[in-house]
Amino acid sequence: AQSVTQLGSHVSVSEGALVLLRCNYSSSVPPYLFWYVQYPNQGLQLLLKYTTGATLVKGINGFEAEFKKSETSFHLTKPSAHMSDAAEYFCAVSVKAAGNKLTFGGGTRVLVKP
Amino acid sequence: DAGVIQSPRHEVTEMGQEVTLRCKPISGHDYLFWYRQTMMRGLELLIYFNNNVPIDDSGMPEDRFSAKMPNASFSTLKIQPSEPRDSAVYFCASSSSNRGTEAFFGQGTRLTVV
Repeated sequence: AQSVTQLGSHVSVSEGALVLLRCNYSSSVPPYLFWYVQYPNQGLQLLLKYTTGATLVKGINGFEAEFKKSETSFHLTKPSAHMSDAAEYFCAVSVKAAGNKLTFGGGTRVLVKP
Repeated sequence: DAGVIQSPRHEVTEMGQEVTLRCKPISGHDYLFWYRQTMMRGLELLIYFNNNVPIDDSGMPEDRFSAKMPNASFSTLKIQPSEPRDSAVYFCASSSSNRGTEAFFGQGTRLTVV
């Protein structure tokens, strides 16, 4: 079985500051890793994903994440926060053998201060 | 494509009543997932289908919950009888085994059982 741990249920950043959201996963087989964003009263939208290949992946809205197998991590970063980044962010894992079903972390709510 | 379509967006019902949530996946997708989101438990996978066949329903909380997928373009999640603790946001998602690994989410149905 797979699992995901997101460190910090709430993160507060100043506009223009670095955004860093931490995600660690557990999987006995090579994982697929995802970051989703959820705005209030909305569904989940894919930010980026890692399947194979380059370990640094770039997504929408200036976000990127790096897969580090040795650390079982997939942290999400954005160099400069914007007010529109205020949302909840979910890290998720899936494995090929289990279809495409996603196991989610608990989520991190980002507050951006002006 | 219109994306994953869920209906209704909001449902308020009295305890003991039957509730049916509906989902239309993205055309051509062969996986369909039902998730439940609550403050206490986060995002939980309830059940998923592959080619209209239920693959894993281990996340369905009780026998009061049932899900069907009579064809590739429609699925229902039914709760009978409903209880206040079923209040949550229910998401439907779909994905394709041939076109990437990510799941696409609907806007969700916010269920309130009073």
